[in-house]
Amino acid sequence: EDQVTQSPEALRLQEGESSSLNCSYTVSGLRGLFWYRQDPGKGPEFLFTLYSAGEEKEKERLKATLTKKESFLHITAPKPEDSATYLCAVITGTASKLTFGTGTRLQVTL
Amino acid sequence: DGGITQSPKYLFRKEGQNVTLSCEQNLNHDAMYWYRQDPGQGLRLIYYSQIVNDFQKGDIAEGYSVSREKKESFPLTVTSAQKNPTAFYLCASTERSVGNQPQHFGDGTRLSIL
Repeated sequence: EDQVTQSPEALRLQEGESSSLNCSYTVSGLRGLFWYRQDPGKGPEFLFTLYSAGEEKEKERLKATLTKKESFLHITAPKPEDSATYLCAVITGTASKLTFGTGTRLQVTL
Repeated sequence: DGGITQSPKYLFRKEGQNVTLSCEQNLNHDAMYWYRQDPGQGLRLIYYSQIVNDFQKGDIAEGYSVSREKKESFPLTVTSAQKNPTAFYLCASTERSVGNQPQHFGDGTRLSIL
């Protein structure tokens, strides 16, 4: 059975304090890994897709990387508006079904 | 403006009542999905549909039903058989029914028990 584990559960950073969120996975036949951002009371917002080990994607202060066992979401010099829950999901099989982790709740304070 | 619209935003269910959550997309996407989100748990797949007039059970389909009569619509009915329906329900879609494109989500419906 596919499994996705995210750590830490919650992370509190000061503005400008860089850090990384982890997503480790155990799947058979990874076809893609996705990062989403979710604000309270809203649906997840797509951030990145990673398809193969060694791949990296960047968007503003966020950078996602992928190895054969895990993915990292690096946040450089975060701002309060980066506060959200970050979700990781993997896609396996042929029906585009996703398996999600439980998320990392990030709070960035002034 | 293309997207996925879920309604209502909040819904209350009485004991023994069936309720239907609406999901409409104008993205011309082939596949649609329903998830349930509970605190401290990842999103769990309820049902998905890869093509009109066809749908498949996900991991937690018991107590739920769906239909896909039109490409743009995928309503979810929470039946009285679902004993713990209080949750945040999310609808998603992808452009093609197979492949590895990301799913795009609506803004959810929060269902509570009266």
